[in-house]
Amino acid sequence: DVKVTQSSRYLVKRTGEKVFLECVQDMDHENMFWYRQDPGLGLRLIYFSYDVKMKEKGDIPEGYSVSREKKERFSLILESASTNQTSMYLCASNPRGQITYEQYFGPGTRLTVT
Amino acid sequence: GENVEQHPSTLSVQEGDSAVIKCTYSDSASNYFPWYKQELGKGPQLIIDIRSNVGEKKDQRIAVTLNKTAKHFSLHITETQPEDSAVYFCAASKAWGNTPLVFGKGTRLSVIA
Repeated sequence: DVKVTQSSRYLVKRTGEKVFLECVQDMDHENMFWYRQDPGLGLRLIYFSYDVKMKEKGDIPEGYSVSREKKERFSLILESASTNQTSMYLCASNPRGQITYEQYFGPGTRLTVT
Repeated sequence: GENVEQHPSTLSVQEGDSAVIKCTYSDSASNYFPWYKQELGKGPQLIIDIRSNVGEKKDQRIAVTLNKTAKHFSLHITETQPEDSAVYFCAASKAWGNTPLVFGKGTRLSVIA
């Protein structure tokens, strides 16, 4: 079974802190994605990556950056956390050439910025 | 870019009844339409998908229909059960254009026993 794990289920950070959210998948997938989920807004794409060291902006990249140094790991970075970044963050992956086929999601990280 | 509208935002049905969730999309070039189910405390999981060369697809109690002319697609769940209670998301993309999924805002389905 495909497994996508996220480093924390719950995280509380202070405004201005640098925050790292880690995502690891064990199925050798080329494509990885970061979404944020907010009530009434659905899933919005922040960044995605289709290969190591490659990254593409999604719909809401402002205030975020990403890192993909290894194929299995995709990190989301909040350089200076703000209260409007309080949200649920979901990571997903799928194999190359099928960027729009089934995406496998992690359980999510609920981030609270105070 | 693509825009996906999903209705209703909440839906309550009696156990055993049917549930229908509808989505519309804006980009006529979109040709892949998946549906994801998110249970409490979990990430979304694909339950069914359809491509634009097919008008309907069924998998046991769930079915999806697609009307390309009207640019809308629907999820149908028959004989609903309490375990169908979840948030459902529709999505659209251009599968052969290497573009990511664009999701609707979600529908919270409650099945009342």
